[in-house]
Order: sequence, then structure tokens, then C-alpha cells
Amino acid sequence: GENVEQHPSTLSVQEGDSAVIKCTYSDSASNYFPWYKQELGKRPQLIIDIRSNVGEKKDQRIAVTLNKTAKHFSLHITETQPEDSAVYFCAGGDFNKFYFGSGTKLNVKP
Amino acid sequence: GAGVSQSPSNKVTEKGKDVELRCDPISGHTALYWYRQSLGQGLEFLIYFQGNSAPDKSGLPSDRFSAERTGGSVSTLTIQRTQQEDSAVYLCASSSGGWDTEAFFGQGTRLTVV
Repeated sequence: GENVEQHPSTLSVQEGDSAVIKCTYSDSASNYFPWYKQELGKRPQLIIDIRSNVGEKKDQRIAVTLNKTAKHFSLHITETQPEDSAVYFCAGGDFNKFYFGSGTKLNVKP
Repeated sequence: GAGVSQSPSNKVTEKGKDVELRCDPISGHTALYWYRQSLGQGLEFLIYFQGNSAPDKSGLPSDRFSAERTGGSVSTLTIQRTQQEDSAVYLCASSSGGWDTEAFFGQGTRLTVV
């Protein structure tokens, strides 16, 4: 099956700075890469996703990039705010099933 | 209902007992997933159901774990002879299974084995 690795495990940034979380995947057949945000004590929720026929996707302050050749993808959050503090999970697979990375705990300091 | 519902929300059981965890997916969603999240850890894939196809059980950690999905809707995850290492939050998610593949998660069941 797919193996998704995620770095860093924790990330601390100052409010207003950018945050970048990186993931790699092993299965070249994977074509769907969602990102989920899990606030403390809450369920994971989808924040953005990208498919393998697209190299970059942006939604307001968040963007994802995908490098199929290198099999890695990244989440970029600009102008971070305290409410961005959460655990972020990347995932990779196909539209039927995807595997999650180990998560990144993002702390945005006011 | 509006979202994925799981029950119970919390379960404390004695080591060696069997437990059943229930998931009610969003109506009409053909895909259903079970994940396990240990304290401070990521989401570990357990099992995946899609329509009437045979489930993908490749993530089940041992033969003490089993799951079924009746009528293509409600799913039950059963853990037999529970062990302390089974303590975790068990999350269920469902999706339409089509190209719009957002998985909607339930609130999870926090299982504590004492």
C-alpha cells in the first residue's frame, strides 16, 4: 500500500509568518492528495486537496503544490493566524482510499 | 443526519473484554473508512468499505479486529479480547466514493482499556 511521510512533526511560527509542511509518498499510482486540519478535541476536516493532473492549487491563505516526479507535495499557509493552530495531516492515495501522514502540530504564536 | 455519527463517544472496558463501536455514515455515501488515532499520533488506516465490494481489511492490526457494514450503511467495528494497546480514538469517515472524494469524519469513539 501507499506510505506517506510528513515533516516536520511540530512547527512553531510567529503570527503573520508563513508555514510550510511537506509530505512524500511512495506509490506512483496515487493521484489524490488531501490535507486535513484537526483542531484540539475535534474531528479532522478537509481544508484543501490536489489531484495529480494539477501542480498547484490555492485557496485564500493556503496553497498546495505537487511534484509528481519527486513524489512530494506541500502545504503552504501564509499570514498565519492563531486560529491556524492545529494538527495538519496530509494524505495520499486514490479517490477510493488514501493513507494519512503522521501529522504536523502547528503552533502560531500571537 | 447531517454528518457522520459514532457511538459511543467514550468507552472504558476491562482488558480481555470485547467491544463494539458503531458508525452511521452520511446518507448516500458509499465509501466508509475506519481509522485509529493513538494519543498524539497520526491516523492509522484500519479498513475500507466501498459499496457492495469486498472490504479492504489490509490495515487491521490483528485478527482480534473485525468490521462489518450492514445494508451498505451502518458499520460496526469489533475488537475482541481487548488489550491496553488498543486504547485510542477510533474514527469513522464516509465519502461519496466518486470524484468528489472529501471524507467526512465522525467525532470518534475514545476507547480506554484498563
